Amino acid sequence: GAVVSQHPSRVICKSGTSVKIECRSLDFQATTMFWYRQFPKQSLMLMATSNEGSKATYEQGVEKDKFLINHASLTLSTLTVTSAHPEDSSFYICSASDSYEQYFGPGTRLTVT
Amino acid sequence: GENVEQHPSTLSVQEGDSAVIKCTYSDSASNYFPWYKQELGKRPQLIIDIRSNVGEKKDQRIAVTLNKTAKHFSLHITETQPEDSAVYFCAASSNTDKLIFGTGTRLQVFP
Repeated sequence: GAVVSQHPSRVICKSGTSVKIECRSLDFQATTMFWYRQFPKQSLMLMATSNEGSKATYEQGVEKDKFLINHASLTLSTLTVTSAHPEDSSFYICSASDSYEQYFGPGTRLTVT
Repeated sequence: GENVEQHPSTLSVQEGDSAVIKCTYSDSASNYFPWYKQELGKRPQLIIDIRSNVGEKKDQRIAVTLNKTAKHFSLHITETQPEDSAVYFCAASSNTDKLIFGTGTRLQVFP
């Protein structure tokens, strides 16, 4: 099946700093990429939908100025958590779609101290 | 907005028994219904999916049924094994490709 990678797998940062997470589709060109956030023992919550070359579409309640998404190519999307705070600590998972199925990355565990 | 409800939140079964997880969705435009298995700290893994043009699909011990009229779909796992223990999520999607996830079911299979 299709492979999606994420980098880094774990990151610890200090409150007030910014963190960038990369999501890559390794063996296919993704028409759309998605970013999810998952708090402990909870479900995956969609944050935004990202299409190559256009602005991301954010879900209600997700601050677009805080969670910056750049989708520069059909194989790479990045999520930058700006001015991170402890409440942003979570498991961030991306997925890439080939219009038939979504393929998930391995996730990034963000801890903000 | 779209909503997917999932029940039960936890399910404990004896090895060899069957497990059933049910989901309902609100968006009548939904036409794709995948099920994911997620182990702690790992990515969700697609275990089976169904599209709105069929009512049932089976893959070995796993089956999914879909009732579009009632907006229900269910996951059935037969002959459960301890390695089936995980959190299971249903999801629903329309042509927009956006997946809306259910709240999850923690399945424990006791040997």
